[in-house]
Amino acid sequence: ETGVTQSPTHLIKTRGQQVTLRCSSQSGHNTVSWYQQALGQGPQFIFQYYREEENGRGNFPPRFSGLQFPNYSSELNVNALELDDSALYLCASSQAGSGRVGNEQYFGPGTRLTVT
Amino acid sequence: QKEVEQNSGPLSVPEGAIASLNCTYSDRGSQSFFWYRQYSGKSPELIMFIYSNGDKEDGRFTAQLNKASQYVSLLIRDSQPSDSATYLCAVFKAAGNKLTFGGGTRVLVKP
Repeated sequence: ETGVTQSPTHLIKTRGQQVTLRCSSQSGHNTVSWYQQALGQGPQFIFQYYREEENGRGNFPPRFSGLQFPNYSSELNVNALELDDSALYLCASSQAGSGRVGNEQYFGPGTRLTVT
Repeated sequence: QKEVEQNSGPLSVPEGAIASLNCTYSDRGSQSFFWYRQYSGKSPELIMFIYSNGDKEDGRFTAQLNKASQYVSLLIRDSQPSDSATYLCAVFKAAGNKLTFGGGTRVLVKP
């Protein structure tokens, strides 16, 4: 079974630039969620994608956007980067449907984004 | 009031003892509950999930859920130095497909 992968591992960008982060879901999973984790805090939900559509969104501005592809992989795009966007960005995959009450999500290793 | 609250710790536990971690949540519509372990510099790792009131055991871990009190706990029996990590409580609500995390409890197991 292939786990969740993310790329790149680390990234340094300048304020005002745009960034794209990538995630491949675990085999057999059809849903991808993205989280932002600042140092010393728990992950904050950005949004979730299911069947190539946004399926839920947290309290993040529209400059955070995403895509999901037919193979269930996903991208997170952030425009007009701000210093406060510096964080660990985590992707998690899960299997929706099949009468599941829960939403067991499995995380990738994350992308460390630094905005200077 | 935060949606999911945890004591930040650190919770210091002697090797071989029981570590007891607590989590409270504010939304009574929450449906499922998760515990993740996160080592420093790593991503969260799912260790337990529970959907119904009561206890659920998996190896050295026991999750306890009390929906009436809006309380979830995690017990780690026979604590080992390798259990030293931050433990994150997460609560899921189907409306919005949102998984909400607490700030985590840092656990230190001393040999």
